[in-house]
Amino acid sequence: DIVMTQSPDSLAVSLGERATINCKSSQNILYSSNSKNHLAWYQHKPGQPPKLLISWASTRDSGVPDRFSGSGSGTDFTLTISSLQAEDVAVYYCQQYYNTPYTFGQGTKLEIK
Amino acid sequence: QVQLHLSGPGLVKPSGTLSLTCAVSGDSISSNKWWSWVRQPPGKGLEWIAEIYHSGSTNYNPSLKSRVIISVDKPKNQFSLNLTSVTAADTAVYYCARGTPSPGTLIDSWGQGTLVTVSS
Repeated sequence: DIVMTQSPDSLAVSLGERATINCKSSQNILYSSNSKNHLAWYQHKPGQPPKLLISWASTRDSGVPDRFSGSGSGTDFTLTISSLQAEDVAVYYCQQYYNTPYTFGQGTKLEIK
Repeated sequence: QVQLHLSGPGLVKPSGTLSLTCAVSGDSISSNKWWSWVRQPPGKGLEWIAEIYHSGSTNYNPSLKSRVIISVDKPKNQFSLNLTSVTAADTAVYYCARGTPSPGTLIDSWGQGTLVTVSS
């Protein structure tokens, strides 16, 4: 199985400041046939299902604010929230969909400082 | 906009079978999508369980494969999960989800989730 490791486990950021979450995969998840990284980021709030934020490592899903951005390739990826808003408090997960079993990182809990 | 409505008992006895059904609206179960199950034990992260295509093709998490049966009901536009020989470790919020084949499946829509507790 591909192991996804996120850092940090938790993060406290002031409103309006930048938040950065890292994700490392145990193997390359760049698919040669389409030259795309099979990496997604989800936002998960209590009592709600996870919400897709970013696919292909850097493509924002429809309706996702542009303060959310994803970057990285191969095995190292980053989710950045450029200016933290109160509604961004959540747990964030990266996930590889390169092969089965699809695996998630352990999650990063983002809070307001 | 697809909606996924999960139903099933919230309490299952140890050694019993956990059975959940996910009714799909706003999309056809026969569309070019994979239909998935994901769970989250209390206080833990997300675990992908399995996925099924309308043709009957399936993929399973090896850690659960021996106990999981998933199926599609085309006339009812729904899909189901059966998890046998459950223990307390199977207590979790269970989600059904829709995914786009990419290759590999990008999960783009999730149902609300339901807590299933395994207890006598």
